[in-house]
Amino acid sequence: GAVVSQHPSWVICKSGTSVKIECRSLDFQATTMFWYRQFPKQSLMLMATSNEGSKATYEQGVEKDKFLINHASLTLSTLTVTSAHPEDSSFYICSAGDISNSPLHFGNGTRLTVT
Amino acid sequence: GEDVEQSLFLSVREGDSSVINCTYTDSSSTYLYWYKQEPGAGLQLLTYIFSNMDMKQDQRLTVLLNKKDKHLSLRIADTQTGDSAIYFCAESKGGYNKLIFGAGTRLAVHP
Repeated sequence: GAVVSQHPSWVICKSGTSVKIECRSLDFQATTMFWYRQFPKQSLMLMATSNEGSKATYEQGVEKDKFLINHASLTLSTLTVTSAHPEDSSFYICSAGDISNSPLHFGNGTRLTVT
Repeated sequence: GEDVEQSLFLSVREGDSSVINCTYTDSSSTYLYWYKQEPGAGLQLLTYIFSNMDMKQDQRLTVLLNKKDKHLSLRIADTQTGDSAIYFCAESKGGYNKLIFGAGTRLAVHP
């Protein structure tokens, strides 16, 4: 079945540094990838939608200059948290879909801790 | 109100059936989904149902969809301790793959 790989699975960084998270579709071409954020014991909040070769569409309230998304190929999207602060600590999860609009599959998530 | 609503907690005895309910708002949703999340892990797609279906069964899982009431349920037969997790219901906003999740139902299975 469809597999989405997310890397790293966890990262600890110092305040003010930037962190890049990768999301790869391993056995299909992901024309669209989605980035979610999940706070402890809460649901997933959609941050942005990225389409291969074009700019990402951000949800209301999500700072595009803070969360940089690049979807340069049909198998890779990256999320960069720039100048991270402790309040950015969260669980970030990506999902990917192909042009058939078949059900999405999710990565295993990245737990970011900013100290 | 919220787009997708779920009860937050369900406790069942091992071997019994579990029923997790969900209501959604977008009548144009093409698919409705159930995902499972274990502690510290990502989301595992459990099952999904196309919007023109009423029911779908997959081994121990049965999904019922009442499109008129915008109500979705997930029944787990013969619930096991390994089924303990958080279960998320999701609708596809605008008919495609932009998923909106409920708050999740924490299922606790006790002996």
